[in-house]
Amino acid sequence: KAGVTQTPRYLIKTRGQQVTLSCSPISGHRSVSWYQQTPGQGLQFLFEYFSETQRNKGNFPGRFSGRQFSNSRSEMNVSTLELGDSALYLCASSGGSGLAGVNEQFFGPGTRLTVL
Amino acid sequence: DQQVKQNSPSLSVQEGRISILNCDYTNSMFDYFLWYKKYPAEGPTFLISISSIKDKNEDGRFTVFLNKSAKHLSLHIVPSQPGDSAVYFCAALNTDKLIFGTGTRLQVFP
Repeated sequence: KAGVTQTPRYLIKTRGQQVTLSCSPISGHRSVSWYQQTPGQGLQFLFEYFSETQRNKGNFPGRFSGRQFSNSRSEMNVSTLELGDSALYLCASSGGSGLAGVNEQFFGPGTRLTVL
Repeated sequence: DQQVKQNSPSLSVQEGRISILNCDYTNSMFDYFLWYKKYPAEGPTFLISISSIKDKNEDGRFTVFLNKSAKHLSLHIVPSQPGDSAVYFCAALNTDKLIFGTGTRLQVFP
């Protein structure tokens, strides 16, 4: 099976712009979660989508949004970019939820976003 | 408010010795804990987990210990190998969400 793929791998934007990141889960996985990794905060949960519905949400402002398509591919959008949004954005796919979900959760390589 | 904390940002260990990575948490309702390993330019990969009803789980060179009264867990790697050099994250499962610590960078030198 192909792993989780994320595009693009690297992105440079300026303050005020918006950005869309893409994640293709492992075939058959219906859950996609997004995380933000920064040096001081570690990995922070953004949101999770399952069957095109947002199932869980972390404590991020409304500038961060996402969606999931019928083929389980997911996109994450950040509007009005700020310098502090510079981070590695990781997505993870799993075939289940709760405990079963995390035990079979696989991460993509991430998208490195730099905001200038 | 960081519910899962890894207070040591880095750790350096000689090959063959034991590596001990520590993690503290604040929420006594967490019932499942995991450790992940992350190499540069790759996503985290699952390493080992432990349920709150246990105090130890072992998988090869990796052992996780859980001390619920102290709200503390640790990952022991014995013997440490250069290929273990990576960033290690502990995480706690909270109502379907994973809450991660800030990570500890382990360097295993020859």
